Amino acid sequence: AQSVTQPDIHITVSEGASLELRCNYSYGATPYLFWYVQSPGQGLQLLLKYFSGDTLVQGIKGFEAEFKRSQSSFNLRKPSVHWSDAAEYFCAVGAVNSGGYQKVTFGIGTKLQVIP
Amino acid sequence: ETGVTQSPTHLIKTRGQQVTLRCSSQSGHNTVSWYQQALGQGPQFIFQYYREEENGRGNFPPRFSGLQFPNYSSELNVNALELDDSALYLCASRPVQGGDYGYTFGSGTRLTVV
Repeated sequence: AQSVTQPDIHITVSEGASLELRCNYSYGATPYLFWYVQSPGQGLQLLLKYFSGDTLVQGIKGFEAEFKRSQSSFNLRKPSVHWSDAAEYFCAVGAVNSGGYQKVTFGIGTKLQVIP
Repeated sequence: ETGVTQSPTHLIKTRGQQVTLRCSSQSGHNTVSWYQQALGQGPQFIFQYYREEENGRGNFPPRFSGLQFPNYSSELNVNALELDDSALYLCASRPVQGGDYGYTFGSGTRLTVV
């Protein structure tokens, strides 16, 4: 069974500082990996996804993530955080069977606070 | 793109009652999944529908059921509501064609069971 661990429940960074959110996954085969962002009371917005190919993935809003198979990690990074980035971030792993059924398993989330 | 729309946005029900939540998938998306997100938790997979049939299910009891219609809209039905069913219910759709397996999520329905 697949699983996702986000070790940091809450992170506080200063505006303009760099950001790295950690994510470790467990899955037997090559995973599909995602990062989603959720603002309070809202649904989830896809930031970026990895299926194959280049292990450094660029997403929206200036975010990027790097897939490291040896570490089973898919950490999210941003070089300079803006106050509007304050939200909750979810890492997720997806698995697709031969029938096209995809189950996506989410981590518990990391809440990002941005201070002036 | 029309996005994924869910209704209602908020709902209050009494324990033991039944509830139906609705979702309109993004245009061109024929696969829909439902997720339950309890307060302070990540979304938990309930089930997935493809071409009007359930083809995947998480660890939820049978009182959680669904339907997908020919126009790819869908419903989540929950019978015999319990207090622990209070959560944000998210609908997500994706196209099967091509290599894009990312889901588009709706804004959710906030269900409160009292």
